[in-house]
Amino acid sequence: DIQMTQSPSSVSASVGDRVTITCRASQDIGSWLAWYQQKPGKVPKLLIYAAASLHSGVPSRFSGRKSGTDFTLTISSLQPEDFATYYCQQANTFPLTFGGGTKVEIK
Amino acid sequence: QVQLQESGPGLVKPSQTLSLSCTVSGGSISSGGYYWSWIRQHPGKGLEWIGYIYNSGSTYYNPSLKSRVTISVDTSENQFSLKLSSVTAADTAVYYCARDVQRGGLDYWGQGTLVTVSS
Repeated sequence: DIQMTQSPSSVSASVGDRVTITCRASQDIGSWLAWYQQKPGKVPKLLIYAAASLHSGVPSRFSGRKSGTDFTLTISSLQPEDFATYYCQQANTFPLTFGGGTKVEIK
Repeated sequence: QVQLQESGPGLVKPSQTLSLSCTVSGGSISSGGYYWSWIRQHPGKGLEWIGYIYNSGSTYYNPSLKSRVTISVDTSENQFSLKLSSVTAADTAVYYCARDVQRGGLDYWGQGTLVTVSS
């Protein structure tokens, strides 16, 4: 199985901050990576697919980038509604696998 | 707007079989182009992909669960189902059904259903 390693596991930030989360794949997955946002007690929501494509309805402050087998999710200006846990997921090979999650907390 | 809705018992006894269904509305499972998937999340933990079924009936299961998992589809009812046999407390989790856009991510999810394994 492809292992997805996310870092950091948690980050404290303030409204308006720029936040970057990294996900590394244990092998080449091309650009087949998705990012999700999950708030407590809620369903995961797709933010980005194919490493850098914004899912319909997702604010443009979210962006994704690929560099080799490393992927980043950036929130350009953190908003109150963005405090949540974020997961990456490789979509290249079954079984699909997820990163361990990054919790974005209020500083 | 595609919607998915899980249904099934919230409590299952150890060694028994967990059975859940996912009803899809706003779109047809038969139309193709998507993998219909099950994912679970242990309390306070991350996401674990269980498996998928295609409208043709072809399946793929996570090797970690393969010996206990069966996913089936009923296109006439526009729903797909999960069966997980020989459950233990370690199978207690929120179970989600979702639509997989074939490398495009899981774009629609059910609201999730908590299944507790306990006697």
